[in-house]
Amino acid sequence: EDKVVQSPLSLVVHEGDTVTLNCSYEVTNFRSLLWYKQEKKAPTFLFMLTSSGIEKKSGRLSSILDKKELFSILNITATQTGDSAIYLCAVYSGNTPLVFGKGTRLSVIA
Amino acid sequence: KAGVTQTPRYLIKTRGQQVTLSCSPISGHRSVSWYQQTPGQGLQFLFEYFSETQRNKGNFPGRFSGRQFSNSRSEMNVSTLELGDSALYLCASQTRPSLDSPLHFGNGTRLTVT
Repeated sequence: EDKVVQSPLSLVVHEGDTVTLNCSYEVTNFRSLLWYKQEKKAPTFLFMLTSSGIEKKSGRLSSILDKKELFSILNITATQTGDSAIYLCAVYSGNTPLVFGKGTRLSVIA
Repeated sequence: KAGVTQTPRYLIKTRGQQVTLSCSPISGHRSVSWYQQTPGQGLQFLFEYFSETQRNKGNFPGRFSGRQFSNSRSEMNVSTLELGDSALYLCASQTRPSLDSPLHFGNGTRLTVT
């Protein structure tokens, strides 16, 4: 059974801190890994990674995938209160629907 | 372009009742997926529909069913509601089923079963 595990489950940091969120996976026929941010209701798409070692960046957020070690990290630098959200990691594999981890709840306090 | 629209936003039902949730995908998107989100289990896959056909089904009991219409709109139905069905039900769409593009989610329907 495909499995995606995120850590930590929750995290509290102060504004300006840098955080690293982790996602490891055990799936057959890995295709791609996706990161989403969920603030109130709808998860919104952040990144999709398919190749190992390539970093995707968008402003203060960046992510990298290690296909050999089967994990990905999401980095957020200079955190702001608006970064408070649940961050979801999900994996496409084989012909199966997107499989999600349980998420990391990030709280950024002023 | 309007996003994925789910109705209603909130529902309160009692055990034993049934409920129907609706989802309108992004214009031009023909693939619709449904997920159940609970604090303990995270997002769990329910169904995927494309061209009015169910392509995949998650590990949920037969009380959970769905369908897709010719205009790509989708509904899911839960019969004989149980307390454990209380959750946020999220719908997501894609242009077509693809492992190379992200799902685009709606705001969900919050179902509370009392």
